[in-house]
Amino acid sequence: SQQGEEDPQALSIQEGENATMNCSYKTSINNLQWYRQNSGRGLVHLILIRSNEREKHSGRLRVTLDTSKKSSSLLITASRAADTASYFCATDGAWETSGSRLTFGEGTQLTVNP
Amino acid sequence: DTEVTQTPKHLVMGMTNKKSLKCEQHMGHRAMYWYKQKAKKPPELMFVYSYEKLSINESVPSRFSPECPNSSLLNLHLHALQPEDSALYLCASSRLPGRLSYEQYFGPGTRLTVT
Repeated sequence: SQQGEEDPQALSIQEGENATMNCSYKTSINNLQWYRQNSGRGLVHLILIRSNEREKHSGRLRVTLDTSKKSSSLLITASRAADTASYFCATDGAWETSGSRLTFGEGTQLTVNP
Repeated sequence: DTEVTQTPKHLVMGMTNKKSLKCEQHMGHRAMYWYKQKAKKPPELMFVYSYEKLSINESVPSRFSPECPNSSLLNLHLHALQPEDSALYLCASSRLPGRLSYEQYFGPGTRLTVT
């Protein structure tokens, strides 16, 4: 069952602007991850933030995590047309040694107009 | 090499056919995953293999049969599928979680159409 909800469902911006996507979840987590997917192809891992971390940066990406509000946000700065894709958050709730059990949010479709 | 490969890229099969999807990785990951993704929806976990043994089956119908012949290969055998099984099937791999869990590396997927 899906426990992640993403907001907004779709976002359209101009090149150079910043894009912010939000993710909420319902149960306790081990970590939260963000993935990008281009046009129904495979997912690309962007960033992983652990439950004891509050903020993480990677290049033009900034992720925050608020475990008290069970929410996360992904900020993409200085967006480019190549950033056009679907963005998914995924929560990993188990300390399972048998493999991770990721639960994905519904995703945000980002369109960056040249 | 951080690539996960999947074959075929596209597959069209009838409801009485038997076919297999293949996935390969050479990153030394001992956890491998199958996901199903319908159009405009997020991926849904189907199976998890850990050390080549099935560790998680998310109540997937028996017409989907996974197999992990060795630490680099993962197969998904398909038989008597229904049209509603048409979807993008994604394979992924990761380091095995212990105290920490890790990101997953995804293949490009197999676009399956059941007629």
